Amino acid sequence: DVVLTQSPLSLPVTLGQPASISCRSSQGLVYSDGNTYLNWFQQRPGQSPRRLIYEVSKRDSGVPDRFSGSGSGTDFTLKISRVEAEDVGVYYCMQGTHWPPVTFGQGTRLEIK
Amino acid sequence: EVQLVESGGGLVQPGGSLRLSCAASGFTFSSYWMTWVRQAPGKGLEWVANIKQDGSEKYYVDSVKGRFTISRDNAKNSLYLQMNSLRAEDTAVYYCARVSDGCTFDYWGQGTLVTVSS
Repeated sequence: DVVLTQSPLSLPVTLGQPASISCRSSQGLVYSDGNTYLNWFQQRPGQSPRRLIYEVSKRDSGVPDRFSGSGSGTDFTLKISRVEAEDVGVYYCMQGTHWPPVTFGQGTRLEIK
Repeated sequence: EVQLVESGGGLVQPGGSLRLSCAASGFTFSSYWMTWVRQAPGKGLEWVANIKQDGSEKYYVDSVKGRFTISRDNAKNSLYLQMNSLRAEDTAVYYCARVSDGCTFDYWGQGTLVTVSS
């Protein structure tokens, strides 16, 4: 099974400052079709998860452009250019390349400092 | 607008059974794989099962194999999860989600809470 390791697990950030979350995979995530199926989800307190980023760097409709995804192979990053209060929550990476099973990272809790 | 609405959660004793439902609308349900994902209280996300468009392929996480069954009724735009031999560790909010290309989960329901306790 593919293990996704996120860091940090807790991320206190000052409003308006940048934030970065790392997701490292135990295996390369390039699929046979050449695509890399690495996703990022946001879960605000008391809400369902919401997809932010798919295929490493493609932003979902309605996701603010302060969110960006990057990476390749086994190392991936979610960046928030300027953190806003509404960004508080838990962020998960997820891989859909080598399944079953689909696997998620442990989650990174972003809070305002 | 894509909508997924789960129902069927509740309190059940260890060893008991429960059937979850997910009503889908706003898209052509029969054209998509579907999935169940769960989240134990205060914990992270765990994939449970996937089902192909016509129900011909089903995949499960090891911890539920032989106990849970995913199914669908395309005529009713509905997804199901039959859960048998429930254990305390199955206590979680269960989400249904739509699966898009590349096994990504693009739309999620609001979840339904299953509590396994005596």
